[in-house]
Amino acid sequence: AQTVTQSQPEMSVQEAETVTLSCTYDTSESDYYLFWYKQPPSRQMILVIRQEAYKQQNATENRFSVNFQKAAKSFSLKISDSQLGDAAMYFCAYRSAWGSGGSNYKLTFGKGTLLTVNP
Amino acid sequence: GAGVSQSPRYKVAKRGQDVALRCDPISGHVSLFWYQQALGQGPEFLTYFQNEAQLDKSGLPSDRFFAERPEGSVSTLKIQRTQQEDSAVYLCASSLRRWDAGQPQHFGDGTRLSIL
Repeated sequence: AQTVTQSQPEMSVQEAETVTLSCTYDTSESDYYLFWYKQPPSRQMILVIRQEAYKQQNATENRFSVNFQKAAKSFSLKISDSQLGDAAMYFCAYRSAWGSGGSNYKLTFGKGTLLTVNP
Repeated sequence: GAGVSQSPRYKVAKRGQDVALRCDPISGHVSLFWYQQALGQGPEFLTYFQNEAQLDKSGLPSDRFFAERPEGSVSTLKIQRTQQEDSAVYLCASSLRRWDAGQPQHFGDGTRLSIL
């Protein structure tokens, strides 16, 4: 079974600065997807960024980028120019690329990192 | 278009009561997932539907939990004889296609269930 570990329960950053959230995972599979989701206090889980394991290039979405190290099984999220609206719980999630009947398409989440942005 | 809608947003029940939680996925989405999120934790998978077929229910904690999606759209998660440990946020998610594991899951706001 796959596991996802987020070792930082809480992080804080000053507005306009950069912060990196850590995530490691354990899997024996070679093909999979990794995601970062943001969950504000309103609770709706919002996709921030997605990485395909077979792609070498790190994914980027505006101010959000990842550092994907497949051999080390590490998938960190960098938020540049942090804004007050970035404050939320951030979850790293893993999803197998293959599986019969869709059973491997479930997301496996880490415990999350609570990000505070200070003005 | 509308996102995933869940109701009720909050539910308080006494221990031993039955509850039903509703999920309206995005129109046309084939895949539907239920997750349970305990306080301070990440969501954990409960069950998965592809249209009306429940293909994976390996995450359901006990036989008190039952989910259905009879017409391949709206889904209901039912918990019988609720226990205090059932208190959690229940999240529903949907995605468009069956065989593309890279596509995102779109989440609802969740139902916060409190068992007294």
